[in-house]
Amino acid sequence: DAGVTQSPTHLIKTRGQQVTLRCSPKSGHDTVSWYQQALGQGPQFIFQYYEEEERQRGNFPDRFSGHQFPNYSSELNVNALLLGDSALYLCASSPKIAASYNEQFFGPGTRLTVL
Amino acid sequence: AQSVTQPDIHITVSEGASLELRCNYSYGATPYLFWYVQSPGQGLQLLLKYFSGDTLVQGIKGFEAEFKRSQSSFNLRKPSVHWSDAAEYFCAVGARAGNMLTFGGGTRLMVKP
Repeated sequence: DAGVTQSPTHLIKTRGQQVTLRCSPKSGHDTVSWYQQALGQGPQFIFQYYEEEERQRGNFPDRFSGHQFPNYSSELNVNALLLGDSALYLCASSPKIAASYNEQFFGPGTRLTVL
Repeated sequence: AQSVTQPDIHITVSEGASLELRCNYSYGATPYLFWYVQSPGQGLQLLLKYFSGDTLVQGIKGFEAEFKRSQSSFNLRKPSVHWSDAAEYFCAVGARAGNMLTFGGGTRLMVKP
């Protein structure tokens, strides 16, 4: 049973560019959350997708957008990249959002470097 | 708003010694609490979780944590640390399972031989 997978592993972009990160949830999971982890800090919640809709959003600007596909996989898009967007981007999946006593499983992350 | 504080940024212990990592949370209702471990360049692995019931919870790799509502704490403990435990540890709180998590800043654990 494959866990949460993310691609690419590493990415280097320049300021002003746009980037797309991808995530495939763990089998049987339909909810995907994205987190940003800056160097030396804890992860910060960006947003969560369920049934192809954004359900919750953290304190991130509109430059950060996402999408969830019918197969539950998800993309994170960041426009007009800033140096401060350099971070490890983590994807987490969980079973049905309405269920109790479930946990989020994290992928290995995508390391984004903005030059 | 929920928040998590991990007062210790770095902790160094000798191999075989006991370990306690502190976590204090702020949340208005009964929280869902988690401890995750992150090795360099890796994602997060769940060590243990507290949802309800017994306030002492057991996790993987010999870790345990105790929920103390009166102190708003969820400290992680291990009786005997192994060199392979060196990593970054994060405490997190959620409004409910599967919902967004709020993480602390992390505690980096170093293990001396």
